[in-house]
Amino acid sequence: GQQVMQIPQYQHVQEGEDFTTYCNSSTTLSNIQWYKQRPGGHPVFLIQLVKSGEVKKQKRLTFQFGEAKKNSSLHITATQTTDVGTYFCAVRRSNDYKLSFGAGTTVTVRA
Amino acid sequence: EPEVTQTPSHQVTQMGQEVILRCVPISNHLYFYWYRQILGQKVEFLVSFYNNEISEKSEIFDDQFSVERPDGSNFTLKIRSTKLEDSAMYFCARSEAFFGQGTRLTVV
Repeated sequence: GQQVMQIPQYQHVQEGEDFTTYCNSSTTLSNIQWYKQRPGGHPVFLIQLVKSGEVKKQKRLTFQFGEAKKNSSLHITATQTTDVGTYFCAVRRSNDYKLSFGAGTTVTVRA
Repeated sequence: EPEVTQTPSHQVTQMGQEVILRCVPISNHLYFYWYRQILGQKVEFLVSFYNNEISEKSEIFDDQFSVERPDGSNFTLKIRSTKLEDSAMYFCARSEAFFGQGTRLTVV
């Protein structure tokens, strides 16, 4: 199946700072989804990107899909303690609906 | 839209025992998925179920696993003879946007 690499695996951030997590593929993707999973929780859908070069914003979160549709990023500005959790990217082949998840970036925040 | 509900939230079972994990209640949806997440690891696809039939399954979904929709609403995942390595969170999803709260399975 399609594989995506996520970096970094861990991100320890000072409250108020920005950080970015990246998702990379060796093949062209038809789309990419981002999820957030709080400790002990379930994956919560954040967004789907479909178009080349697409940029979407949700408050302090900015999602970007690369021009070649082989990579994506999630940038969080002014990190808050509520941002703690693991952020996963996931991809879906165009001919089916199952998701292949990246390994995730686990974010911790120091106040 | 209604969320996916899973029961039980936590299941402890002895190795070799059968367990049944449930998504309830669900109606009017044709596509469902089961995913597994071993503690600290990524979410892994197990099986997709479309119109009362398995449409795709992963290499993890071997002969000890089965899925059913016994009464048109409940959607079950059965593990026939549990192994220690089956300990994980099991998530049911009815689309990419709607995951259930999960069932934590602990095999002892």
